[in-house]
Amino acid sequence: GAGVSQSPSNKVTEKGKDVELRCDPISGHTALYWYRQSLGQGLEFLIYFQGNSAPDKSGLPSDRFSAERTGGSVSTLTIQRTQQEDSAVYLCASSFGMGGYEQYFGPGTRLTVT
Amino acid sequence: AQSVTQLGSHVSVSEGALVLLRCNYSSSVPPYLFWYVQYPNQGLQLLLKYTSAATLVKGINGFEAEFKKSETSFHLTKPSAHMSDAAEYFCAVSSGGSYIPTFGRGTSLIVHP
Repeated sequence: GAGVSQSPSNKVTEKGKDVELRCDPISGHTALYWYRQSLGQGLEFLIYFQGNSAPDKSGLPSDRFSAERTGGSVSTLTIQRTQQEDSAVYLCASSFGMGGYEQYFGPGTRLTVT
Repeated sequence: AQSVTQLGSHVSVSEGALVLLRCNYSSSVPPYLFWYVQYPNQGLQLLLKYTSAATLVKGINGFEAEFKKSETSFHLTKPSAHMSDAAEYFCAVSSGGSYIPTFGRGTSLIVHP
């Protein structure tokens, strides 16, 4: 079956522009997560969804970041007025639920802000 | 609160040698523990997980990990390294409350011929 997909795979944008990153989770997975991975920094948790609800938004770095999930499926992460420090790989993962369920990761979107 | 510490950002071994990647966790309640592997330009892939069924967990590609509650450790081992094992390895913990997994900073495994 299809795994988690993310688009675009690469995005180069100018400082100050808005970007949208998309994640298509595995069908039937109720939990969806966004992480940011910077070189040598490990995975930084951004936000998670249980269904369409995001109970914890405290991981979002600033109010320029927002995310939504519709139909319990596709999710978009939006970064407004991008800054150079936003450059990173953005990873999406989904799972059947929370707790002991493994996460399935997408290949990531590499964002470069020039 | 939960946290994960991976000792050593880089581990270098010779092909055929033992692989040992260290992970210590902190959790106020019994945790779920995971090891993931990330190959260049790919997402993370599950190697193995501990969910309290057995303390010695076997995973894919010949890897295994042992949960030691007294040491709060979940070290990853493989008896004989292969060149294809070169990758980034992440330990993660998920425990009570929201069960959002917390990841370590990762250990880069380098395998020399």
